[in-house]
Amino acid sequence: KAGVTQTPRYLIKTRGQQVTLSCSPISGHRSVSWYQQTPGQGLQFLFEYFSETQRNKGNFPGRFSGRQFSNSRSEMNVSTLELGDSALYLCASKQGAGNEQFFGPGTRLTVL
Amino acid sequence: DQQVKQNSPSLSVQEGRISILNCDYTNSMFDYFLWYKKYPAEGPTFLISISSIKDKNEDGRFTVFLNKSAKHLSLHIVPSQPGDSAVYFCAATVYGNKLVFGAGTILRVKS
Repeated sequence: KAGVTQTPRYLIKTRGQQVTLSCSPISGHRSVSWYQQTPGQGLQFLFEYFSETQRNKGNFPGRFSGRQFSNSRSEMNVSTLELGDSALYLCASKQGAGNEQFFGPGTRLTVL
Repeated sequence: DQQVKQNSPSLSVQEGRISILNCDYTNSMFDYFLWYKKYPAEGPTFLISISSIKDKNEDGRFTVFLNKSAKHLSLHIVPSQPGDSAVYFCAATVYGNKLVFGAGTILRVKS
């Protein structure tokens, strides 16, 4: 089975712009979660989508949003980028009721 | 507040010896615990997990021990290999919801 894929792998944006990141889960996995990794805050949960509905949400501002499509692929959007949004954004998928989440390689976002 | 803590930022071990990585948690609602391994610029790789109803789980060279009364878990790697050098994250979850991660421990296995 193919693993979780994320595109793009690297992205450079400037403050005030917006960005969309994409994630394709493992085939058959219906839950997709997004995490942000920064040196200061570590790995933090952003949100989870299951069957096109947001099931859980972390403690991030409304500039961070996401959605899931009927094929379980997910996108994450960050509007009005700030320097502090520079991070590795990780997507993880799991079967609906499972505990183990499997991560993609991440998208490295740099905000200048 | 940090619900999952990995108090050792780094650990150095000789090849062939045992590596022991530790993790403490504060939330007694956590019912499942996982260990991930991460290389720079890559996503975390799932290693091994344990349910809160068990106290030990083994998978090859990897064993995870859970002490619920102490709210402590540990990952044992025996024997350690140079390829095990990476950052190891402990994570916990309640009912399969979001993963709460520790800060990570850098493991260096010297040959």
